[in-house]
Amino acid sequence: QAQLVESGGGVVQPGRSLRLSCAASGFTFSVYAMHWVRQAPGKGLEWVAVISYDGSKNYCGDSVRGRFTVSRDNSKNTLYLEMNSLRAEDTALYYCAREITLTTEPRESWFDPWGQGTLVTVSS
Amino acid sequence: SSDLTQDPAVSVALGQTVRITCQGDSLRSYYASWYQQKPGQAPVLVISGNNNRPSGIPDRISGSTSGNTASLTITGAQAEDEADYYCLSRDRRGNPWVFGGGTKLTVL
Repeated sequence: QAQLVESGGGVVQPGRSLRLSCAASGFTFSVYAMHWVRQAPGKGLEWVAVISYDGSKNYCGDSVRGRFTVSRDNSKNTLYLEMNSLRAEDTALYYCAREITLTTEPRESWFDPWGQGTLVTVSS
Repeated sequence: SSDLTQDPAVSVALGQTVRITCQGDSLRSYYASWYQQKPGQAPVLVISGNNNRPSGIPDRISGSTSGNTASLTITGAQAEDEADYYCLSRDRRGNPWVFGGGTKLTVL
């Protein structure tokens, strides 16, 4: 059964850096695109970043582009999110999720499963 | 702000039918998927693509799309359906993926 486990969250001062990890198991990690999604306390879900199955393409959302970098190590079945120049507004629970897109119908895509999340708090 | 619009809150009487909608231009090109999130838990996929339910999701939950609007319908709502529901879609403008703002469903 596919499973994702995030780690690396914690309390960090504004302007500092943090690296999150997402360990995958129960499926062939190297054939799936992967995503990071975050949720600020009491708020909705916000898409953060995506990386292609082989790591050759990656893209970060408007609110984090230039500060965050998504990467992966398929030999370790692990996804990463490098977060630099952290701001108070980056405080959130960060989830990783697997993307599934039908090869026969590219209009159909979804995220499943999701990890349990790792909490990042940016505060002085 | 989200490019997918959801009503912030909806309520339904126990056993009745409720529809949660998600509106946005991207839905003319891509199917929405739907996620249920209960307090303190990670989101869970309940509807993918063209009204597909993952195993374990009750058949009282269904999805549909018309034009720029995707809908999640719960027929015979149960107490355990009380949760936040989010739609997700690809997008050709701005960020490649976008979530709706979420709908808090209350079962009365």
